[in-house]
Amino acid sequence: KAGVTQTPRYLIKTRGQQVTLSCSPISGHRSVSWYQQTPGQGLQFLFEYFSETQRNKGNFPGRFSGRQFSNSRSEMNVSTLELGDSALYLCASSRVTGSYEQYFGPGTRLTVT
Amino acid sequence: GENVEQHPSTLSVQEGDSAVIKCTYSDSASNYFPWYKQELGKGPQLIIDIRSNVGEKKDQRIAVTLNKTAKHFSLHITETQPEDSAVYFCAATKNTNAGKSTFGDGTTLTVKP
Repeated sequence: KAGVTQTPRYLIKTRGQQVTLSCSPISGHRSVSWYQQTPGQGLQFLFEYFSETQRNKGNFPGRFSGRQFSNSRSEMNVSTLELGDSALYLCASSRVTGSYEQYFGPGTRLTVT
Repeated sequence: GENVEQHPSTLSVQEGDSAVIKCTYSDSASNYFPWYKQELGKGPQLIIDIRSNVGEKKDQRIAVTLNKTAKHFSLHITETQPEDSAVYFCAATKNTNAGKSTFGDGTTLTVKP
């Protein structure tokens, strides 16, 4: 069974630009969560989607947004990039919302210059 | 909101020794506690988890214990091997927000051959 896939794996963007990251969950998994990982702040929850609806949201500014498609694939978008947005963005999928086990993808390394 | 503290931040052991990592959580409503192993360049991998109705769980060389009263849980790795070297994260989750986990800051485990 294929794992969680994330594209692209690496991105370099300039301050002020916007970026879109993609996540394909494990087949049959309908819940997708996004996390930001940085050396200073650790792993922080961004948001969770289930059935194309945002179910949970973390404490991030409105520049961070996401969506989920009918095939459960998810995208997250960051607008007006700041240097502090440089991080590893991780996507995790679980079978259904309410199912605890989360399986992470390899992440997208975003560098903002 | 939930707060998870993890100790120690770094741990170095000799091959064959045991390693113990401890976490405390603040929200008594949390009822699912996973542990993840993250190797360089990879996303976190779920290695073991425990639910609040269980006090201990084992899987070969890995075990997790939970003390609900004290709100702490621990990861025990016995007979450590060099391939156990990685960063380990604990997390706490509530069933009302199953897709949203709060993570500890991580423990870098080094197993010396």
